[in-house]
Amino acid sequence: EDKVVQSPLSLVVHEGDTVTLNCSYEVTNFRSLLWYKQEKKAPTFLFMLTSSGIEKKSGRLSSILDKKELFSILNITATQTGDSAIYLCAVELSGTYKYIFGTGTRLKVLA
Amino acid sequence: DADVTQTPRNRITKTGKRIMLECSQTKGHDRMYWYRQDPGLGLRLIYYSFDVKDINKGEISDGYSVSRQAQAKFSLSLESAIPNQTALYFCATGSTGELFFGEGSRLTVL
Repeated sequence: EDKVVQSPLSLVVHEGDTVTLNCSYEVTNFRSLLWYKQEKKAPTFLFMLTSSGIEKKSGRLSSILDKKELFSILNITATQTGDSAIYLCAVELSGTYKYIFGTGTRLKVLA
Repeated sequence: DADVTQTPRNRITKTGKRIMLECSQTKGHDRMYWYRQDPGLGLRLIYYSFDVKDINKGEISDGYSVSRQAQAKFSLSLESAIPNQTALYFCATGSTGELFFGEGSRLTVL
Protein backbone atom coordinates (compact mmCIF):
# COMPACT_ATOMS: atom_id res chain seq x y z
CA GLU A 1 0.00 0.00 0.00
CA ASP A 2 1.35 3.40 -0.98
CA LYS A 3 1.77 5.72 1.97
CA VAL A 4 3.18 9.10 2.91
CA VAL A 5 3.98 9.91 6.54
CA GLN A 6 4.64 13.37 7.91
CA SER A 7 6.15 14.34 11.22
CA PRO A 8 5.66 15.97 13.57
CA LEU A 9 1.86 16.18 13.44
CA SER A 10 1.97 19.58 15.08
CA LEU A 11 4.56 22.07 16.16
CA VAL A 12 4.52 25.33 18.11
CA VAL A 13 7.49 27.69 17.81
CA HIS A 14 8.31 31.34 18.40
CA GLU A 15 9.01 33.91 15.75
CA GLY A 16 12.60 33.71 14.56
CA ASP A 17 12.95 29.99 15.19
CA THR A 18 13.98 27.56 12.44
CA VAL A 19 11.78 24.52 11.84
CA THR A 20 12.26 21.29 9.94
CA LEU A 21 9.27 19.33 8.72
CA ASN A 22 9.65 15.73 7.66
CA CYS A 23 8.00 13.63 4.97
CA SER A 24 8.78 9.96 4.37
CA TYR A 25 7.18 7.76 1.76
CA GLU A 26 6.74 4.19 0.63
CA VAL A 27 5.28 4.01 -2.85
CA THR A 28 5.44 1.67 -5.80
CA ASN A 29 6.27 4.13 -8.59
CA PHE A 30 7.67 7.45 -7.48
CA ARG A 31 7.52 10.35 -9.90
CA SER A 32 7.78 13.49 -7.78
CA LEU A 33 7.27 14.87 -4.29
CA LEU A 34 5.37 18.09 -3.67
CA TRP A 35 5.00 20.43 -0.71
CA TYR A 36 1.92 22.57 -0.14
CA LYS A 37 0.96 25.21 2.42
CA GLN A 38 -2.65 25.32 3.59
CA GLU A 39 -3.84 28.35 5.54
CA LYS A 40 -7.56 28.96 5.43
CA LYS A 41 -8.82 26.81 2.60
CA ALA A 42 -7.08 25.73 -0.62
CA PRO A 43 -3.55 24.31 -0.43
CA THR A 44 -1.03 26.45 -2.26
CA PHE A 45 1.99 25.01 -4.03
CA LEU A 46 5.47 25.46 -2.57
CA PHE A 47 7.90 23.03 -4.20
CA MET A 48 8.15 20.03 -6.47
CA LEU A 49 11.17 17.75 -6.19
CA THR A 50 12.10 14.99 -8.57
CA SER A 51 15.86 14.61 -8.19
CA SER A 52 17.70 13.48 -5.14
CA GLY A 53 20.05 15.87 -3.38
CA ILE A 54 19.06 19.05 -5.19
CA GLU A 55 17.75 21.75 -2.89
CA LYS A 56 14.82 23.89 -3.92
CA LYS A 57 14.74 27.30 -2.28
CA SER A 58 12.28 30.16 -2.10
CA GLY A 59 13.06 32.93 0.34
CA ARG A 60 13.13 31.49 3.85
CA LEU A 61 11.79 28.12 2.70
CA SER A 62 13.88 25.30 1.29
CA SER A 63 13.38 21.63 0.60
CA ILE A 64 15.45 18.64 -0.36
CA LEU A 65 14.70 15.09 -1.41
CA ASP A 66 16.58 11.89 -0.60
CA LYS A 67 15.40 9.18 -2.98
CA LYS A 68 17.65 6.55 -1.47
CA GLU A 69 16.27 6.96 2.05
CA LEU A 70 12.78 7.88 0.76
CA PHE A 71 12.21 11.16 2.54
CA SER A 72 12.10 14.89 2.12
CA ILE A 73 12.46 17.80 4.52
CA LEU A 74 11.02 21.29 4.40
CA ASN A 75 13.00 23.92 6.27
CA ILE A 76 11.67 27.31 7.30
CA THR A 77 14.19 29.76 8.73
CA ALA A 78 13.43 32.91 10.73
CA THR A 79 9.79 31.90 11.09
CA GLN A 80 7.06 34.52 11.11
CA THR A 81 3.46 34.38 12.33
CA GLY A 82 2.39 34.27 8.68
CA ASP A 83 4.06 30.89 8.38
CA SER A 84 1.38 29.41 10.64
CA ALA A 85 -0.42 26.84 8.50
CA ILE A 86 -0.77 23.16 7.73
CA TYR A 87 2.07 21.92 5.55
CA LEU A 88 1.17 19.03 3.29
CA CYS A 89 3.50 16.62 1.54
CA ALA A 90 2.31 14.63 -1.48
CA VAL A 91 3.89 12.04 -3.72
CA GLU A 92 2.91 11.77 -7.37
CA LEU A 93 2.92 8.23 -8.73
CA SER A 94 4.15 7.61 -12.26
CA GLY A 95 1.86 5.66 -14.53
CA THR A 96 -1.33 6.33 -12.57
CA TYR A 97 -0.70 10.05 -11.90
CA LYS A 98 -2.30 9.68 -8.51
CA TYR A 99 -1.17 11.98 -5.70
CA ILE A 100 -0.93 10.47 -2.24
CA PHE A 101 -0.95 13.00 0.60
CA GLY A 102 0.40 12.77 4.10
CA THR A 103 -1.65 13.84 7.11
CA GLY A 104 0.09 17.20 7.24
CA THR A 105 2.05 19.09 9.90
CA ARG A 106 0.23 21.89 11.68
CA LEU A 107 2.69 24.69 12.42
CA LYS A 108 1.86 27.53 14.79
CA VAL A 109 4.29 30.44 15.10
CA LEU A 110 3.85 32.60 18.17
CA ALA A 111 4.75 36.29 18.20
CA ASP B 1 -11.91 34.54 -11.65
CA ALA B 2 -10.48 31.45 -9.97
CA ASP B 3 -8.86 28.81 -12.16
CA VAL B 4 -10.67 26.03 -10.29
CA THR B 5 -14.19 26.82 -9.08
CA GLN B 6 -16.21 24.69 -6.70
CA THR B 7 -19.90 25.02 -5.90
CA PRO B 8 -21.43 25.12 -3.39
CA ARG B 9 -18.84 26.46 -0.96
CA ASN B 10 -20.88 25.41 2.05
CA ARG B 11 -23.78 23.01 2.34
CA ILE B 12 -25.74 21.57 5.23
CA THR B 13 -27.95 18.62 4.46
CA LYS B 14 -29.72 15.74 6.15
CA THR B 15 -28.97 12.05 6.22
CA GLY B 16 -30.30 10.28 3.13
CA LYS B 17 -30.34 13.31 0.84
CA ARG B 18 -28.62 13.34 -2.54
CA ILE B 19 -25.90 15.94 -2.87
CA MET B 20 -23.85 17.07 -5.85
CA LEU B 21 -20.64 19.07 -5.61
CA GLU B 22 -19.53 20.70 -8.82
CA CYS B 23 -16.11 21.64 -10.09
CA SER B 24 -15.09 23.56 -13.18
CA GLN B 25 -11.66 24.64 -14.35
CA THR B 26 -10.26 27.08 -16.87
CA LYS B 27 -6.70 25.75 -16.92
CA GLY B 28 -7.28 23.34 -19.80
CA HIS B 29 -5.98 20.39 -17.80
CA ASP B 30 -6.99 16.84 -18.63
CA ARG B 31 -6.59 15.46 -15.11
CA MET B 32 -9.13 16.25 -12.43
CA TYR B 33 -9.34 14.94 -8.86
CA TRP B 34 -11.71 14.90 -5.91
CA TYR B 35 -10.28 14.73 -2.39
CA ARG B 36 -11.80 14.95 1.05
CA GLN B 37 -10.05 16.41 4.05
CA ASP B 38 -10.76 15.43 7.63
CA PRO B 39 -8.89 16.73 10.68
CA GLY B 40 -5.79 14.63 11.30
CA LEU B 41 -6.26 12.55 8.16
CA GLY B 42 -4.86 14.80 5.47
CA LEU B 43 -6.27 14.69 1.94
CA ARG B 44 -7.70 11.38 0.77
CA LEU B 45 -8.41 10.64 -2.88
CA ILE B 46 -12.01 9.82 -3.78
CA TYR B 47 -11.98 9.72 -7.61
CA TYR B 48 -9.81 10.97 -10.42
CA SER B 49 -10.25 11.36 -14.16
CA PHE B 50 -7.96 11.80 -17.15
CA ASP B 51 -10.68 12.60 -19.66
CA VAL B 52 -14.44 12.25 -20.09
CA LYS B 53 -14.13 8.51 -20.76
CA ASP B 54 -11.55 7.73 -18.08
CA ILE B 55 -12.76 7.64 -14.48
CA ASN B 56 -10.80 5.95 -11.71
CA LYS B 57 -11.55 5.13 -8.10
CA GLY B 58 -9.33 6.46 -5.38
CA GLU B 59 -8.75 5.21 -1.85
CA ILE B 60 -12.21 6.02 -0.49
CA SER B 61 -14.73 5.86 -3.34
CA ASP B 62 -17.46 3.93 -1.48
CA GLY B 63 -20.59 6.06 -1.10
CA TYR B 64 -19.53 8.47 -3.84
CA SER B 65 -19.93 8.69 -7.61
CA VAL B 66 -18.58 11.12 -10.18
CA SER B 67 -19.36 12.45 -13.62
CA ARG B 68 -16.93 14.06 -16.06
CA GLN B 69 -19.33 16.07 -18.20
CA ALA B 70 -16.61 17.80 -20.20
CA GLN B 71 -12.89 18.35 -20.00
CA ALA B 72 -13.53 21.34 -17.76
CA LYS B 73 -16.21 19.88 -15.48
CA PHE B 74 -16.05 17.13 -12.89
CA SER B 75 -18.84 16.63 -10.37
CA LEU B 76 -18.99 14.52 -7.22
CA SER B 77 -22.24 13.00 -5.98
CA LEU B 78 -23.30 11.53 -2.69
CA GLU B 79 -26.35 9.44 -3.55
CA SER B 80 -27.51 9.10 0.05
CA ALA B 81 -25.50 11.27 2.40
CA ILE B 82 -24.49 10.00 5.83
CA PRO B 83 -22.99 11.92 8.78
CA ASN B 84 -19.47 10.47 8.37
CA GLN B 85 -19.33 12.14 4.97
CA THR B 86 -19.17 15.46 6.77
CA ALA B 87 -15.86 16.90 5.56
CA LEU B 88 -14.12 19.53 3.46
CA TYR B 89 -14.05 18.46 -0.19
CA PHE B 90 -11.47 19.69 -2.68
CA CYS B 91 -11.39 19.50 -6.43
CA ALA B 92 -7.99 19.72 -8.07
CA THR B 93 -6.61 19.75 -11.60
CA GLY B 94 -3.17 18.97 -12.98
CA SER B 95 -1.18 18.35 -16.11
CA THR B 96 2.41 17.53 -15.21
CA GLY B 97 3.54 17.97 -11.65
CA GLU B 98 1.70 20.62 -9.68
CA LEU B 99 -1.92 20.20 -8.61
CA PHE B 100 -4.16 23.27 -8.55
CA PHE B 101 -6.92 23.28 -5.95
CA GLY B 102 -10.33 24.84 -5.73
CA GLU B 103 -11.35 26.72 -2.60
CA GLY B 104 -13.13 23.72 -1.15
CA SER B 105 -16.74 22.75 -0.41
CA ARG B 106 -17.59 22.28 3.24
CA LEU B 107 -20.33 19.68 3.59
CA THR B 108 -22.16 18.94 6.82
CA VAL B 109 -24.51 15.97 6.98
CA LEU B 110 -26.88 16.03 9.96
